[in-house]
Formats: sequence, C-alpha cells, structure tokens
Amino acid sequence: SQELEQSPQSLIVQEGKNLTINCTSSKTLYGLYWYKQKYGEGLIFLMMLQKGGEEKSHEKITAKLDEKKQQSSLHITASQPSHAGIYLCGTRGTGNQFYFGTGTSLTVIP
Amino acid sequence: NAGVMQNPRHLVRRRGQEARLRCSPMKGHSHVYWYRQLPEEGLKFMVYLQKENIIDESGMPKERFSAEFPKEGPSILRIQQVVRGDSAAYFCASSPTTGTSEDFGPGTRLTVL
Repeated sequence: SQELEQSPQSLIVQEGKNLTINCTSSKTLYGLYWYKQKYGEGLIFLMMLQKGGEEKSHEKITAKLDEKKQQSSLHITASQPSHAGIYLCGTRGTGNQFYFGTGTSLTVIP
Repeated sequence: NAGVMQNPRHLVRRRGQEARLRCSPMKGHSHVYWYRQLPEEGLKFMVYLQKENIIDESGMPKERFSAEFPKEGPSILRIQQVVRGDSAAYFCASSPTTGTSEDFGPGTRLTVL
C-alpha cells in the first residue's frame, strides 16, 4: 500500500508569515494531489503534480514535486486567516484506491 | 453546476440502528468514491463504484457495510447495526473518469450514541 507522511502534523503561524508543509511517500509518486479541508467541511482540490521537478502556483500557494517524485512540498506565502484548515496530500495507488497523507492542521493567528 | 451533494449532513443513530448516507455526484460524473475519516485519523478509501457496479470495495469493512450506485438516483452507503466505532465523517467524491482529480462532497457526520 502507498503511505504518505506529512509534516508537520500541525502548524500555528502569525498572519503574514510564510510556511511549508511536506509530504513524503514510501514509493514513487505517479500524480500527487493537494487538497484543503476546512474544519467540518469537505475537501477542496488545490493542485496536482505529475512530473519530477514540477512546480505549480495558485495565488499564494506553491506546490512542488521533487525530481525523484517521492516528496512534495506546499508553500504558502504571506499566510492569511483564510488559509487555515487541514492540508492533505494524496495519490492514487495501483488500482483505484486513493491514499491520503496524515494531514497538516494549519492555524493562522490574525 | 452543483457540486457533489451529500445528505444528510449530520446523522445521529443509536447503537443497532441503520444508517443510510446518500451521495449525488456532479453532473456528468459516473464514478463515485466513498471515504471515511475517523476522529484523529486520516481519510481512508472505502469503495469505488460506477453505475450499477462495485469496482473496488477493498476498503470496506467486511460486515455491516454496503454500497450501491443504482442506474437512477444517488449512491447509497448503508451501515447496518451501527456501533459507536462507526462514528465518523463519511465523504463521497466523484469524477468523470478514473485517474482524474475527484470532487468531494461536504461529508456526512455520523454520530452513534
């Protein structure tokens, strides 16, 4: 089975600070997805990375997939309270199962 | 275009009762996935269905849980004789094909008293 480990498990930052969340896989990733889950709500798709070395940005969020395709990072620049939530990385294993990481809970203090 | 819809959003059941969770996929999506998020745990895959077919149920508990996606109507996740350990958030996702990102519903939070 595919295991995705996220770090840190939780993060508390002051508004305006930058932060990075990491996602490490036990196997080569063939497609890495980042989702955000607001407390008590469903998941919101953020970005998908497929190629080694790929980097994508959306507003103040940048995601990268390393060359070996076993680690991804999500970087938020100048964090805002609206960024608060649980960030999940995920990947599809062989077959149809979608595996999620352990999650990173982000709190942004105004 | 409405997103994935789930109902009810919150469901309370007593031990031994049945829970029925509904999921209406996005328009044009014929692939439905169910996930469970237990307290303090991550999201775990349960089952993958296409219309009238269960494609992969490797994440489903062997007993008391069943899922269907009929030709007409929503997908149903059914839990018979619920126990306290079934208390969790159950999320449904849909996609137009396999291998694409999935759109998630808001979830149904099941509480078993």
